Amino acid sequence: GAGVSQSPSNKVTEKGKDVELRCDPISGHTALYWYRQSLGQGLEFLIYFQGNSAPDKSGLPSDRFSAERTGGSVSTLTIQRTQQEDSAVYLCASSSQRATYNEQFFGPGTRLTVL
Amino acid sequence: AQTVTQSQPEMSVQEAETVTLSCTYDTSENNYYLFWYKQPPSRQMILVIRQEAYKQQNATENRFSVNFQKAAKSFSLKISDSQLGDTAMYFCAFMKDFGNEKLTFGTGTRLTIIP
Repeated sequence: GAGVSQSPSNKVTEKGKDVELRCDPISGHTALYWYRQSLGQGLEFLIYFQGNSAPDKSGLPSDRFSAERTGGSVSTLTIQRTQQEDSAVYLCASSSQRATYNEQFFGPGTRLTVL
Repeated sequence: AQTVTQSQPEMSVQEAETVTLSCTYDTSENNYYLFWYKQPPSRQMILVIRQEAYKQQNATENRFSVNFQKAAKSFSLKISDSQLGDTAMYFCAFMKDFGNEKLTFGTGTRLTIIP
C-alpha cells in the first residue's frame, strides 16, 4: 500500500511569510508525528497526535508553530512569520495502534528554506 | 529526559568490509526500545534494526547486528559485508516503552562505502 506522503517536497519562502506543510499518513494509522531535522542535527520531535486525544505539543519550539489533524487523517504543520532558523527538513511519521510496539513509518520530508 | 549521543560524525569503509557505528544513551527508564535508522539521500528514514531493552539477546537482521550493553547504555550497530547501497546517514534512536511514543534521535553518522 501507499506509504506516508508529504507535500510540498521543497518549499522556499521569504522571512516573515507563513507556510503550511502537509502530511498524509498511512491509511488506518491512528498516530502521527512531526519531526524537524536541521542541518547537522538529528531529528527533533515537534508534535504527536494519537486518535482523538489531545496532541502532545511539548516539542514545538515557539508559538509560531502549530499543527492540526483533520478527521484523524491528514495533518498540516503551520509556521507563522518564518525565520531563517526555521530552515530545515520537516519529517512526518505515522504508526498504527495494534501492538505494544508500533513502528513509525516516515515520509520523505519537506525541505523548507527561509531566505 | 532521554539523550542519545553518536560520537562519530563521519565514517568510511571499503566495500565488503565490516564497520561498527557507536551510540550511547542516557535514561532513567528500565524498559525502552532502541533503534537504528538509515537515511539515504532520498531523505526517506528506513528502520534498520530495533532492540527491546528487556531482551538480553542482541538483535540481528541479515548483515546488520547490534551490540547492546544495557549497563553501559551502549548500542552499537555492526554492518557486515558492507555494500555500496549502505552509504547513508545512520541515526540511533530511543523510545520509551508502552506503545506510541516519540523517538529521541542522535545527531547521526554519515557512512560512506568506498568501491
